Amino acid sequence: GDSVTQMEGPVTLSEEAFLTINCTYTATGYPSLFWYVQYPGEGLQLLLKATKADDKGSNKGFEATYRKETTSFHLEKGSVQVSDSAVYFCALSDKYSSASKIIFGSGTRLSIRP
Amino acid sequence: GAVVSQHPSRVICKSGTSVKIECRSLDFQATTMFWYRQFPKKSLMLMATSNEGSKATYEQGVEKDKFLINHASLTLSTLTVTSAHPEDSSFYICSASFRDQETQYFGPGTRLLVL
Repeated sequence: GDSVTQMEGPVTLSEEAFLTINCTYTATGYPSLFWYVQYPGEGLQLLLKATKADDKGSNKGFEATYRKETTSFHLEKGSVQVSDSAVYFCALSDKYSSASKIIFGSGTRLSIRP
Repeated sequence: GAVVSQHPSRVICKSGTSVKIECRSLDFQATTMFWYRQFPKKSLMLMATSNEGSKATYEQGVEKDKFLINHASLTLSTLTVTSAHPEDSSFYICSASFRDQETQYFGPGTRLLVL
């Protein structure tokens, strides 16, 4: 079945460092890919998404490119801030095989030091 | 736009009692609502999917008689944890979607503690 694998955390970086959180997926159809963020004490928020191969999703300085050849959707940011500390979830939705269900990765906790 | 609220945000109850959690879409009509359970430091596990006016579809392994879901209107879904036990303690999150159903908007979650 469909699945999402993302790098385990926690990830700790200094402010202004470069961030990469790896995410790979397995899907039988043509999934849409998402990154969700969960700030401390809050619910999940959609950070960015890409719906087809080679699409790039971007928001708040974060980017991720849908790579079908490597089945990946890695999250990147050039210069992180303390306010980026949160848990990040990679996810997919394959409406052809899973009827609008979202399948989440296990989450990566990111902590940014001032 | 696309705000989803949950009530209560936190609840503590005694073992054997039932707890109802509400999920509301505040500024849109949700054709589908989803209920998830999140364990500490773990990902979200989909419990069930509900469409307004029809019975919820439960994921494998989720007891439908224990986790009662009602989706009475396009803006309200409720999850009732019946005869709660300490192992039901968890963070319950709802989400709602409309139109293409691919994008879900998440509520802030309800933390349940069963003593």
